[in-house]
Amino acid sequence: GAVVSQHPSRVICKSGTSVKIECRSLDFQATTMFWYRQFPKKSLMLMATSNEGSKATYEQGVEKDKFLINHASLTLSTLTVTSAHPEDSSFYICSATRQAAEAFFGQGTRLTVV
Amino acid sequence: QQQVKQSPQSLIVQKGGIPIINCAYENTAFDYFPWYQQFPGKGPALLIAIRPDVSEKKEGRFTISFNKSAKQFSLHIMDSQPGDSATYFCAASENDYKLSFGAGTTVTVRA
Repeated sequence: GAVVSQHPSRVICKSGTSVKIECRSLDFQATTMFWYRQFPKKSLMLMATSNEGSKATYEQGVEKDKFLINHASLTLSTLTVTSAHPEDSSFYICSATRQAAEAFFGQGTRLTVV
Repeated sequence: QQQVKQSPQSLIVQKGGIPIINCAYENTAFDYFPWYQQFPGKGPALLIAIRPDVSEKKEGRFTISFNKSAKQFSLHIMDSQPGDSATYFCAASENDYKLSFGAGTTVTVRA
């Protein structure tokens, strides 16, 4: 299957700092990428849809000023968690859609805010 | 509001058994139904997917059964192995757009 690379896989940051997570589609161009948040033993919760060259579309209840998304190229989308707090600690996962809704997921990023 | 309802929440089978996971949906506009496998600390991996024009699809030991009139689909894992122990998610989308996920099923295959 297609490869989507997410980096870093784990990050620990201090409360009040910002963290950037990268999502790259390595072998195909992705006009649309998605960002999810997953709590322990729970399903994936869609946070936002990232479209190359335009503003991201956020799901209801997701603060766009808190979770900044940039999709500057067809292979790279970034999620920046600004002014992180302990409640932002979670598992963040990106996906890239190749064609016909076939979505491939990154490895996930475990964010811990201390 | 969850658009795809998945059951059971968890199940345990012996090696060689056939775990069956069921999903149901209401949105008749859904036209793509994938299943994902997720191991702890990893992102989901696409296992198999089906579209409404077929009733069954097999890939290796994984089979999707699809019942359009009942708006239900299921995953069967044939000859299950301990390495199949993972969380499985069904999902659905319409017009090749964003996925709606089920709640997930944790499958444990005992040796």
